[in-house]
Amino acid sequence: GQNIDQPTEMTATEGAIVQINCTYQTSGFNGLFWYQQHAGEAPTFLSYNVLDGLEEKGRFSSFLSRSKGYSYLLLKELQMKDSASYLCAVRDSNYQLIWGAGTKLIIKP
Amino acid sequence: DVKVTQSSRYLVKRTGEKVFLECVQDMDHENMFWYRQDPGLGLRLIYFSYDVKMKEKGDIPEGYSVSREKKERFSLILESASTNQTSMYLCASSLRPDSSYEQYFGPGTRLTVT
Repeated sequence: GQNIDQPTEMTATEGAIVQINCTYQTSGFNGLFWYQQHAGEAPTFLSYNVLDGLEEKGRFSSFLSRSKGYSYLLLKELQMKDSASYLCAVRDSNYQLIWGAGTKLIIKP
Repeated sequence: DVKVTQSSRYLVKRTGEKVFLECVQDMDHENMFWYRQDPGLGLRLIYFSYDVKMKEKGDIPEGYSVSREKKERFSLILESASTNQTSMYLCASSLRPDSSYEQYFGPGTRLTVT
């Protein structure tokens, strides 16, 4: 079967750096997405990786290793507004998105 | 900016009622999706559509049907609501199904079936 694994919850301190990991086993691979979802709101797109390596976008970076079935989202200079759930999703060989359950990130002052 | 709107943010229905959830997108996207989101589970795809009058079953279509009569509108129908359909329902759209096109989500409808 297809599977996406992420930690359920993480806690970090304001101003620090946090890395959220995602491992996947899917039938085929056509890209990996990270979304942010604040409580009670819709998911919003953060990043897309299809080739191995690091993609940087301001305070957020996303890394992909296709051979290891592994990605991480790196958040730097954490702010209180970064408290949210972070969803990892992989597009499979049928171009369908397979979603992880999400990682709830709690930022403490 | 892409805008995806859903007809209701909160909805309370009784068991056995027929329920309509409507979704509209304003960016001429080809693809539209209905998901449900439950605590501890990833988003689960109910149905999707790549074109007008076209629909495909997702992972959990049982108990649901959909309608896409116009490109911008995608409706989810619960023919006879049951308590296990209490959930957050999210509609999404994307330009095309391939490569890097991300999905844009509506605000969600929290449905409670009593």
